[in-house]
Amino acid sequence: DVVMTQSPLSLPVTLGQPASISCRSSQSLVYSDGNTYLHWFQQRPGQSPRRLIYKVSNRDSGVPDRFSGSGSGTDFTLKISRVEAEDVGVYYCMQGTHWPPWTFGQGTTVEIK
Amino acid sequence: EVQLVESGGGLVQPGGSLRLSCAASGFTFSTYWMYWVRQAPGKGLVWVSHINSDGSSTTYADSVKGRFTISRDNAKNTLYLQMNSLRAEDTAVYYCARSFDNWGQGTLVTVSS
Repeated sequence: DVVMTQSPLSLPVTLGQPASISCRSSQSLVYSDGNTYLHWFQQRPGQSPRRLIYKVSNRDSGVPDRFSGSGSGTDFTLKISRVEAEDVGVYYCMQGTHWPPWTFGQGTTVEIK
Repeated sequence: EVQLVESGGGLVQPGGSLRLSCAASGFTFSTYWMYWVRQAPGKGLVWVSHINSDGSSTTYADSVKGRFTISRDNAKNTLYLQMNSLRAEDTAVYYCARSFDNWGQGTLVTVSS
């Protein structure tokens, strides 16, 4: 199984400042079709998960452009350019290249300092 | 608008059974792969099971294989998860998800005597 490792696990951020979350996979996530099935999810307190980014760098509909995804192979990053109060929650990366199983990272908790 | 509404959760004794349902609307249900993902209290997201669009192919996490069965009724736009031989460690909020791009609100399953 592909292991997804996120860092940091806790990220205190000042409002208006940038934030960055790293996600590393135990093997390359490049699929035979050339796509990389690495996605990012946000889970606000008390809510269901919501996909923010699909296939490394594509923002889902309605996702603010302060969220961006990048990376390749085994190393990926989610960046928030300027953190807002509504960004508080837990962020997960997930791989959909080597399935089953589909595997998630442990989650990174973003909080306001 | 895509809607996924789970139901069927509740308190069950160890060894018991439950059947979860996920009613889908706002999209052509029969064309999408569907998933069950669970989240134990205070923990991260864990993929449980997947089913392809016509129900001919299913996969399961090792932790539930042989105990859980995923199915779908495309005429009723509904996804199911039959859970047998439940254990305390199956206690979690269970989410249904459409290709991971839309998620339901979740239904809580508590396995306890």
